[in-house]
Amino acid sequence: QKEVEQNSGPLSVPEGAIASLNCTYSDRVSQSFFWYRQYSGKSPELIMSIYSNGDKEDGRFTAQLNKASQYVSLLIRDSQPSDSATYLCAVSDMRFGAGTRLTVKP
Amino acid sequence: GAVVSQHPSWVICKSGTSVKIECRSLDFQATTMFWYRQFPKQSLMLMATSNEGSKATYEQGVEKDKFLINHASLTLSTLTVTSAHPEDSSFYICSASIVRYTEAFFGQGTRLTVV
Repeated sequence: QKEVEQNSGPLSVPEGAIASLNCTYSDRVSQSFFWYRQYSGKSPELIMSIYSNGDKEDGRFTAQLNKASQYVSLLIRDSQPSDSATYLCAVSDMRFGAGTRLTVKP
Repeated sequence: GAVVSQHPSWVICKSGTSVKIECRSLDFQATTMFWYRQFPKQSLMLMATSNEGSKATYEQGVEKDKFLINHASLTLSTLTVTSAHPEDSSFYICSASIVRYTEAFFGQGTRLTVV
């Protein structure tokens, strides 16, 4: 069974801090990885996709991929209360982890 | 760009009836579409993956005769919940990819309540 694992949290950080979200996957042949954000009662929205080892930055968000370790992470810099949501990791075949609930406290 | 529209947003139906949910990619052609079910405070459970013009691939444990998926064109996929029962009440969400294994864009979801 192909699996995507995330720390379910909840993760709480103060406003302005860096939030670090982690994800591991079991299928070694996965080549594409995605981070989504889901607000309560809404559908997920894409934050970032990453295909190559290393870091990819987009504004306050940085995705990091290590295929050898089967690990992908998302860093959120200068966290804002509006970043409070559930963050979902997905792999190539669009299977999702359980999600990590993030709360940013003012 | 990359807008996916799902209809209806919510539906209430009587037990034993069927309900059809539509998923449309409005500004791109989607070779692959995905259907998910999400119960409160749980993650997205992938139900099936469909490619335009071919039969959907259902995940283990998902009844293909109960959840009928049709992907008749590059912009439309439908999910029909047949003979719905109260335990089928859930949030159903579709997503669509331009090219398989690239990012998928989500519809707004359909909240189904079976009474």
